[in-house]
Amino acid sequence: GNSVTQMEGPVTLSEEAFLTINCTYTATGYPSLFWYVQYPGEGLQLLLKATKADDKGSNKGFEATYRKETTSFHLEKGSVQVSDSAVYFCALSDRTSYDKVIFGPGTSLSVIP
Amino acid sequence: NAGVTQTPKFRILKIGQSMTLQCAQDMNHNYMYWYRQDPGMGLKLIYYSVGAGITDKGEVPNGYNVSRSTTEDFPLRLELAAPSQTSVYFCASSQRLPGLVAYVGTDTQYFGPGTRLTVL
Repeated sequence: GNSVTQMEGPVTLSEEAFLTINCTYTATGYPSLFWYVQYPGEGLQLLLKATKADDKGSNKGFEATYRKETTSFHLEKGSVQVSDSAVYFCALSDRTSYDKVIFGPGTSLSVIP
Repeated sequence: NAGVTQTPKFRILKIGQSMTLQCAQDMNHNYMYWYRQDPGMGLKLIYYSVGAGITDKGEVPNGYNVSRSTTEDFPLRLELAAPSQTSVYFCASSQRLPGLVAYVGTDTQYFGPGTRLTVL
């Protein structure tokens, strides 16, 4: 079945450091891939998405490229800020299997000044 | 445009009590979802609905019931609350078009702020 695997957290970085959060997936069809972010005490919100191979999603300085050959969708940001402290969820939606979205377990990021 | 709203924000229940978590969306989305999030864990799908009058089970439906009589509302009912149902509950909605292609602007899930439920 479909699944999403994310790097284990928590991740702690200093402000302006480079961020990578790894995400790999297993899917039988042609999934769309997403990164959602959850700030403390809030619901999840979409950060970026990509709907086909080689697409790059980007938002707020974050980027992720849909790599079909390595089944990956790693999240990157060149210079993190304290305000980026949150939990990040990788997810996939595969229309050829069923209509549900599969979420990874989440990676907690703390950015210290 | 309020998006997805949930009530209540917090609730404490005693074992065996029942309650309904309310969820409403004003974006005319066809799909709606209920998830639970346990501390330090990801999301688990409880139930979802692809349109008014149609609901289906997710990964963890036991102990819950849903109904979808209108496009806007998707309440979650807990019967006979148990400590294992202590969690944060999120409602979400999305607009999905038929077919195999996910168009830009569709399929994104919009989440409510959550309901924190404690069962003692």
